[in-house]
Amino acid sequence: EAGVAQSPRYKIIEKRQSVAFWCNPISGHATLYWYQQILGQGPKLLIQFQNNGVVDDSQLPKDRFSAERLKGVDSTLKIQPAKLEDSAVYLCASSLEASGYNEQFFGPGTRLTVL
Amino acid sequence: AQSVTQLDSQVPVFEEAPVELRCNYSSSVSVYLFWYVQYPNQGLQLLLKYLSGSTLVKGINGFEAEFNKSQTSFHLRKPSVHISDTAEYFCAVSGFTGFQKLVFGTGTRLLVSP
Repeated sequence: EAGVAQSPRYKIIEKRQSVAFWCNPISGHATLYWYQQILGQGPKLLIQFQNNGVVDDSQLPKDRFSAERLKGVDSTLKIQPAKLEDSAVYLCASSLEASGYNEQFFGPGTRLTVL
Repeated sequence: AQSVTQLDSQVPVFEEAPVELRCNYSSSVSVYLFWYVQYPNQGLQLLLKYLSGSTLVKGINGFEAEFNKSQTSFHLRKPSVHISDTAEYFCAVSGFTGFQKLVFGTGTRLLVSP
């Protein structure tokens, strides 16, 4: 079974530029998550999708971050414009369903550096 | 809302020694508990989880954890570590009902030396 795929693996941009990350979850997984992991911290949930609908985006900085999951499969996370404090690893995860007991499977992440 | 505290940011240990990584949680409702491991430049991988039943949970790679409701703890243990266990370990909690999100601790870096 193929795992969660993410691209790119690394991205370096200057502040005020825009950037987009892509995620392809495990086939059949209804729930998709985007996490932000700042160096030295645990992952923090940015947004959670159930199929193509948003379940939780309470910690997404909506003035600069946006995400979509078209057709309930792939997802894209965008930052526009980027700030220095956005430097982090962005992890995508998926699970069969959104219930708390479901295992989340993580992709390798995209390491973003904002200069 | 839930929160997780991992008391040790880094734990150095010699190969073949036992290790315990501490995790305490806070929640007003019943919870599910998880331990994830993150190797360098990789995503997180589930080590083990507590959903219900026996409070001693066995996971992959020889790890186990014990759920203690009275002390709100879920400490991770391994009787004999290997060099390959060097990684970052995250404790996480989610609530029982609805669309519950996973809340992670800040992580503990396990450093195994020969």
